Amino acid sequence: DTGVSQDPRHKITKRGQNVTFRCDPISEHNRLYWYRQTLGQGPEFLTYFQNEAQLEKSRLLSDRFSAERPKGSFSTLEIQRTEQGDSAMYLCASSLGGGIQETQYFGPGTRLLVL
Amino acid sequence: AQSVAQPEDQVNVAEGNPLTVKCTYSVSGNPYLFWYVQYPNRGLQFLLKYITGDNLVKGSYGFEAEFNKSQTSFHLKKPSALVSDSALYFCAVRDLRGNNRLAFGKGNQVVVIP
Repeated sequence: DTGVSQDPRHKITKRGQNVTFRCDPISEHNRLYWYRQTLGQGPEFLTYFQNEAQLEKSRLLSDRFSAERPKGSFSTLEIQRTEQGDSAMYLCASSLGGGIQETQYFGPGTRLLVL
Repeated sequence: AQSVAQPEDQVNVAEGNPLTVKCTYSVSGNPYLFWYVQYPNRGLQFLLKYITGDNLVKGSYGFEAEFNKSQTSFHLKKPSALVSDSALYFCAVRDLRGNNRLAFGKGNQVVVIP
């Protein structure tokens, strides 16, 4: 058990609906990452936070996606007006520090299906 | 850009036999390399990493990996495979631009046959 938790584990929604996922990192980890994994592919970077600051967003993160980490602890990822192409596993990872020895620990993921 | 390649889609091995999962990398600068394992409907579990130092890195669950700079490879190995090692294995390289994002390969499905 890595200690990163994600909620919900599964989400089925209809096209056009909004969804929100939550990630609780390992306690005191200052970095939090979001990745997206589609079937048959490795995870792809979406965005990351250092404490409460969102420092980088991938071009994969369209305007319909928004992420927050309001108090530097848990984070939320919201997708507005979902599309079928958003169907994927959304993974959260946390780490301590950001130096060269940094290791990212992943949560169990939220599997999204957009009908 | 940093990248890794995992050339095989699936690796089949008999239980008790040595297991090797291949990974090659392409980086500008020093490579920081990782292996993760993913079981069905689960997130990724960290196995091991190479940052610097000894070319043979030991990790969790009896896995090890050999860093080879001349061949730009970081192959994952286990001397004796278990049925419970059947899973999806990902190699990853860290971006060096400060964000420390990981770039993953497409993964290798390992099937250990009893």
